[in-house]
Amino acid sequence: NAGVTQTPKFRVLKTGQSMTLLCAQDMNHEYMYWYRQDPGMGLRLIHYSVGEGTTAKGEVPDGYNVSRLKKQNFLLGLESAAPSQTSVYFCASSYTGQRQETQYFGPGTRLLVL
Amino acid sequence: GNSVTQMEGPVTLSEEAFLTINCTYTATGYPSLFWYVQYPGEGLQLLLKATKADDKGSNKGFEATYRKETTSFHLEKGSVQVSDSAVYFCALRGSRGGSEKLVFGKGTKLTVNP
Repeated sequence: NAGVTQTPKFRVLKTGQSMTLLCAQDMNHEYMYWYRQDPGMGLRLIHYSVGEGTTAKGEVPDGYNVSRLKKQNFLLGLESAAPSQTSVYFCASSYTGQRQETQYFGPGTRLLVL
Repeated sequence: GNSVTQMEGPVTLSEEAFLTINCTYTATGYPSLFWYVQYPGEGLQLLLKATKADDKGSNKGFEATYRKETTSFHLEKGSVQVSDSAVYFCALRGSRGGSEKLVFGKGTKLTVNP
């Protein structure tokens, strides 16, 4: 049971390039999330999904797109990377959206945009 | 909207010292409250949680009590170890609309010296 995994672990992009971050979970969770972590800002929610084929915007969605074609995978896309998107990206998942549920986090992807 | 305020860091302590990290929240209804810990180079992992007023969450010697009257969920440990060095995040999950999302504080970095 690998839990939540993220690919890649680290990436350097040039401004304007595109890339996709992959999150996979093997816990049969319905809910999946993408966060970004910046110094002094805590974690901020980018997008989330409450089930296969559904996505919703979080707190900071601009410049990102997501897709949830399979229940176990949640993809985060950057169509045209900007230096402001330099950050550490975390994926998380949970069984349901109920308030007592724990979210399980992946190890993170460090992205540097030059 | 829901929000979490936690004490600014960094916090530096000597081994066996007493630890308190303050966390207060703003939310409607009855949120669930969480403390997550992030060890260097890793993703977040749940440390403890409490889902109703006066509940005490505990794990690995850490404790926090859900105080509705003061809207607080302060993290405490009686005797810290070097291995407790990490970033600690207070978070809440709302009970009304948006309960699928976690709202995080900005994190408090703890360094414990031998």
